Amino acid sequence: QKEVEQNSGPLSVPEGAIASLNCTYSDRGSQSFFWYRQYSGKSPELIMSIYSNGDKEDGRFTAQLNKASQYVSLLIRDSQPSDSATYLCAGPSSGGTYKYIFGTGTRLKVLA
Amino acid sequence: EPEVTQTPSHQVTQMGQEVILRCVPISNHLYFYWYRQILGQKVEFLVSFYNNEISEKSEIFDDQFSVERPDGSNFTLKIRSTKLEDSAMYFCASSLTSSTNEKLFFGSGTQLSVL
Repeated sequence: QKEVEQNSGPLSVPEGAIASLNCTYSDRGSQSFFWYRQYSGKSPELIMSIYSNGDKEDGRFTAQLNKASQYVSLLIRDSQPSDSATYLCAGPSSGGTYKYIFGTGTRLKVLA
Repeated sequence: EPEVTQTPSHQVTQMGQEVILRCVPISNHLYFYWYRQILGQKVEFLVSFYNNEISEKSEIFDDQFSVERPDGSNFTLKIRSTKLEDSAMYFCASSLTSSTNEKLFFGSGTQLSVL
């Protein structure tokens, strides 16, 4: 059973700080990962995708992938109260038709 | 920006009744999916659909569930005889290809409440 694991939180950070969200995965063959943001009662919204080892930056967001450690992270710089949401890590299931496996999500609270 | 649309946004039904959840995927996308999320739990894969056939389904997707693309735009999920435990948010998603690098785009969801 392929798994994507996240700490459910909540992770509380003050406004303007860096929020660090982490995810581990069990399938060593996984090649790509996605971070989604989900506000309460809403659908997942894609923030970042990352396909290769290292860092990928997009505005205030940086995704990091370490395939050797089977670890994915998302850094949010200059955190804003509007960033308060649940962040879902997702990776594709290998072998067979494409589908995502989602982690349980980490709830982020940015305190004003 | 193109988006996946779902109707209705909320559906309340009695246990044992049939429900049909509707989705209009992004127009040039070829792969369609249903996911569900029980309150407070993770987003779970139900089924994927391509070329008018189910490509893959999870153990959740039993004989009570079916999917259909009745015309060129709609993609539906039918639950024949709803149970209390079917209460969840149901998300439709679509993607252009089945590549593992491909992004999934989600609709806004249908909140199903079975009483």
